[in-house]
This record gives sequence, C-alpha cells and structure tokens, in this order.
Amino acid sequence: RKEVEQDPGPFNVPEGATVAFNCTYSNSASQSFFWYRQDCRKEPKLLMSVYSSGNEDGRFTAQLNRASQYISLLIRDSKLSDSATYLCVVDRVHGSGNTGKLIFGQGTTLQVKP
Amino acid sequence: NAGVTQTPKFRVLKTGQSMTLLCAQDMNHEYMYWYRQDPGMGLRLIHYSVGEGTTAKGEVPDGYNVSRLKKQNFLLGLESAAPSQTSVYFCASSFRGAQHFGDGTRLSIL
Repeated sequence: RKEVEQDPGPFNVPEGATVAFNCTYSNSASQSFFWYRQDCRKEPKLLMSVYSSGNEDGRFTAQLNRASQYISLLIRDSKLSDSATYLCVVDRVHGSGNTGKLIFGQGTTLQVKP
Repeated sequence: NAGVTQTPKFRVLKTGQSMTLLCAQDMNHEYMYWYRQDPGMGLRLIHYSVGEGTTAKGEVPDGYNVSRLKKQNFLLGLESAAPSQTSVYFCASSFRGAQHFGDGTRLSIL
C-alpha cells in the first residue's frame, strides 16, 4: 500500500461546479497534513494546512478523518483558474518523532471547463 | 523577500559531466530538501538537511551528493551525470511543517 494515495483523475468539471478530492494515508501516527497545488511545469505551492476540526479558506474546505485515515478537499464554485494538480501531503513520522520530511501523493488533476 | 531561489533554471549536460545545483533561502529555515519530479511520478526526496553542517539521505540518493555549509544554502551535486538523472529538481525549505519550494531546475542529460 502506498503511504499516500490519491485518485489521479482527471476530474473534468464545468465552471461553477463543486468538486471533492479524497486522499488516504497509511501511517496512523502522522500529525501534519496539507494540500498543495501544482500548475503545469511549476513548483508545488501550499494551498492549505488540514486541521483535525476541519478548516475553510474561501471556496476551499479541507477535512481530516483520523479514524479512517483520509483527508478531503472540497472546492466550491470552481473557476477556470482552479485547473491544476492537487497534491495531498502528509508528514513522515518515524519512531523518534517528526523528521521534518513530507510524503507527497502523486496528485489529482482538475480541469475546469467553461 | 525572494523565498527559495534555485539556480540554474535550465541546464543540458552530456553523460559523465558534473554540475552543482544551488538552492538559497532567505527565511532562516532550519530544514532544506532536494526533490526530483518525473512524469507520472510524485516528488521523490533525494537528500535533506535538518541544519547547517548536517545532511541525510532521502528515498533516491544514489548518484547525488549534497552540502549545507551555510544555513541559507543547500547544494546538490551530480558527480557523473547519467541520462536517468534527466528530471525537474525542486528545492524546498521549512521551519517545521509546510515546505516552501523554489521554482525548479530543468535538467537534461544527453
């Protein structure tokens, strides 16, 4: 089983649609969770951290389910500019604790069409 | 505030040549990382550093060396480039938690 698994998509949605991505992780000891956005041929950029209580930033909502070990990202009112690859990211925790390293999922591709 | 800066942006090498990629950060971050990203694959960690003067191997360290002589700089070296090292290389830094990336170096080995 991969440490972080995402459906690669692509998800093709019309402008204005609501779309949700899920991600599962294998290490129940993980403490930090993030969603990154990566545009074609560009660097990954932090979209938002994911907190246990769930958090929202404008049209974006992230949720964490520790019991089932999955993270979700919901995008409401999709814009053309939301077209990108969304990376699910989890910290790599070993027995000695946080190593500062992150595990990146392979990403889910979103295409928003007019 | 430049954040994380990588040089060069593009480079073409011949098999067997050597080169050094430079990463510089101005955020006073302790942790720095080198990744490679290949088509159809996620980011793979090559080497990382948890502080000045320290380095450690990541998932795919073979064929690469690194140095962190100054806190703000993290160098990635290819001693004898191979076509399998053709990739996009990203440097990142963090205090803890989220990592901040440079805009990448596109390296082709012929």
